[in-house]
Amino acid sequence: SQTIHQWPATLVQPVGSPLSLECTVEGTSNPNLYWYRQAAGRGLQLLFYSIGIDQISSEVPQNLSASRPQDRQFILSSKKLLLSDSGFYLCAWSRKGRGRSMNTEAFFGQGTRLTVV
Amino acid sequence: AQSVAQPEDQVNVAEGNPLTVKCTYSVSGNPYLFWYVQYPNRGLQFLLKYITGDNLVKGSYGFEAEFNKSQTSFHLKKPSALVSDSALYFCAARVGYSSASKIIFGSGTRLSIRP
Repeated sequence: SQTIHQWPATLVQPVGSPLSLECTVEGTSNPNLYWYRQAAGRGLQLLFYSIGIDQISSEVPQNLSASRPQDRQFILSSKKLLLSDSGFYLCAWSRKGRGRSMNTEAFFGQGTRLTVV
Repeated sequence: AQSVAQPEDQVNVAEGNPLTVKCTYSVSGNPYLFWYVQYPNRGLQFLLKYITGDNLVKGSYGFEAEFNKSQTSFHLKKPSALVSDSALYFCAARVGYSSASKIIFGSGTRLSIRP
């Protein structure tokens, strides 16, 4: 079976410090990978998605970047955190959408609560 | 722009009563739609998805959703609510083409079931 691991669960970082959140998927290959941010327990904003190694699409301009150095590893980074980067970050994966497989759902990690102080 | 809308921030229902959480969508091509549930400080759990041709979709925990193409809606329903159903619910849609498609979410609806 497939599993997704996301760590750490909680993180408190000072303003101006770097950030690295890691997400790995097991039990599948060549997945689509996603980073979402959820502010104040409400809607999810898609930050990045990746269809393959080193293939990253950015959805919104921001202080964050993403990398996919390996097929099942997705990293969210920042060189200098801002207060506005605080939030709940969720990693997800899905199978490739193609034809009838376009109805494939995404599976989520447990999230990282980031507080920038 | 393609989008998913959840018009209600909060839905309050008495235990044992039927519940409906509303969702409308605006996507090009055939819609591929999903419902997720989120409990506090946790990731999202998949509930159900729409598969072309079957307008009434059944999912986990007794939930179902009705796809209505003419109204571009995909409302989540349950015949008899439980207190444990209290959570944040998200409607989502897959947009884009083939392997490069991505999933976008509505703003979420907080469901509160009172005993």
